[in-house]
Amino acid sequence: EPEVTQTPSHQVTQMGQEVILRCVPISNHLYFYWYRQILGQKVEFLVSFYNNEISEKSEIFDDQFSVERPDGSNFTLKIRSTKLEDSAMYFCASSEAVGKETQYFGPGTRLLVL
Amino acid sequence: RKEVEQDPGPFNVPEGATVAFNCTYSNSASQSFFWYRQDCRKEPKLLMSVYSSGNEDGRFTAQLNRASQYISLLIRDSKLSDSATYLCVVRDGYSTLTFGKGTMLLVSP
Repeated sequence: EPEVTQTPSHQVTQMGQEVILRCVPISNHLYFYWYRQILGQKVEFLVSFYNNEISEKSEIFDDQFSVERPDGSNFTLKIRSTKLEDSAMYFCASSEAVGKETQYFGPGTRLLVL
Repeated sequence: RKEVEQDPGPFNVPEGATVAFNCTYSNSASQSFFWYRQDCRKEPKLLMSVYSSGNEDGRFTAQLNRASQYISLLIRDSKLSDSATYLCVVRDGYSTLTFGKGTMLLVSP
């Protein structure tokens, strides 16, 4: 069964450093998403991406965040200058279309900012 | 602010029990509804979509009441493997999913 993959599984970084989280969505999917889950809290939407541009973004997704699809397979989330409160699990998801289509989640990258 | 509210639990039930979870959502314009399950430190996985007419998938039954903005999930004949956190999820925008905090279920032998 096709699945979303994410690398790395864990990332530890110093406050103020830049991190790039990588995702490979399911190959025939056209819509890509990033979510985050702070430990003990709910999953929160960050951004959706389609046709090489952002479709929707939440208030969490401020100027320190950016997304990119640098090639035909990868989808990345960059955090420019990490803060302690960016420590969370970051999930990538993809779907074949929007509307009622299911979003399939990757296993996540656990980011710890020290 | 769009919210999805769930009883956090935990619900402790013996194997074979029937258990029900409820969820309310605040945005009357919400368009699609789902139950996901999340195992500890894992990604959310779709359990089932929820349709207005109600729907069943094996031991799982989901109901939606749009007038009351209320979603339910019923699990019959609970198995040990059903132990997880059950997330009520609503699609609000074009693509945005809004998650509840989840209800933890612990099924014991």
